[in-house]
Amino acid sequence: GDSVTQMEGPVTLSEEAFLTINCTYTATGYPSLFWYVQYPGEGLQLLLKATKADDKGSNKGFEATYRKETTSFHLEKGSVQVSDSAVYFCALLSGGSYIPTFGRGTSLIVHP
Amino acid sequence: EAGVTQSPTHLIKTRGQQATLRCSPISGHTSVYWYQQALGLGLQFLLWYDEGEERNRGNFPPRFSGRQFPNYSSELNVNALELEDSALYLCASSETGYSGYTFGSGTRLTVV
Repeated sequence: GDSVTQMEGPVTLSEEAFLTINCTYTATGYPSLFWYVQYPGEGLQLLLKATKADDKGSNKGFEATYRKETTSFHLEKGSVQVSDSAVYFCALLSGGSYIPTFGRGTSLIVHP
Repeated sequence: EAGVTQSPTHLIKTRGQQATLRCSPISGHTSVYWYQQALGLGLQFLLWYDEGEERNRGNFPPRFSGRQFPNYSSELNVNALELEDSALYLCASSETGYSGYTFGSGTRLTVV
C-alpha cells in the first residue's frame, strides 16, 4: 500500500538557517505530492504541491521537487523565520484514489 | 470566501457519552473528509462523504459514524466514548483531491 516517511522531529534551527525536511514515499503509479503545514492550535494548510515528476512546488519561500528516481519530495527553505515554527506534513494522493496518505509530521522549531 | 468551519472548537465529554462534531465545507465542495489527530499518531483517516453518501471509511470501529446533509455539511458522531478517543478531529473539503484539501481548525475532543 501507499506510505509516506518523514524525518523524525523536532528539527530545531536558528533564524535564517537553511531548512530541509526529508520525505520519501512508496506508491503505485504516479502520485501527486503535497506539503501541508499546521501552526499551533490550527488545522492543516496546503503549503505546496507537485503533480508529476520533476515538478517543483513553491510557496512562501518553501520549495519541493518531485523526484521520481529517488521517490522523494524534500521540503526546503533558504532562510527560516521564527514564524515558520509549525508541524509539516508530507502527503501523497495516488491516481484513482481520493484519500491521501499523510506522513506522521515533522515539528520545526525556529529560535531567534 | 469562507473556509472550512468546524464546531464546537472544544468539547469535553465523559466516558460512555456520545459526541457530535460538525463541519461546513467550502462553498462548492461536495466532498468532506474526517481525520483523527491523536497525540503522536499523525493523521488517521476516518470517513469520506461525497454527494451525501459515505464513500470510504478508515480502520475505526462502528461507533464512529457520520452523515452528510443536502447542503454538503457533515456531522461526525462518536458513541460510547473511550478515553483514547481524546484527540483533535479535523474536517477537510475538496473540489478534487488533486487540488489539495482545505482543512478546518478542528474540534478538540477530551474524554474524561
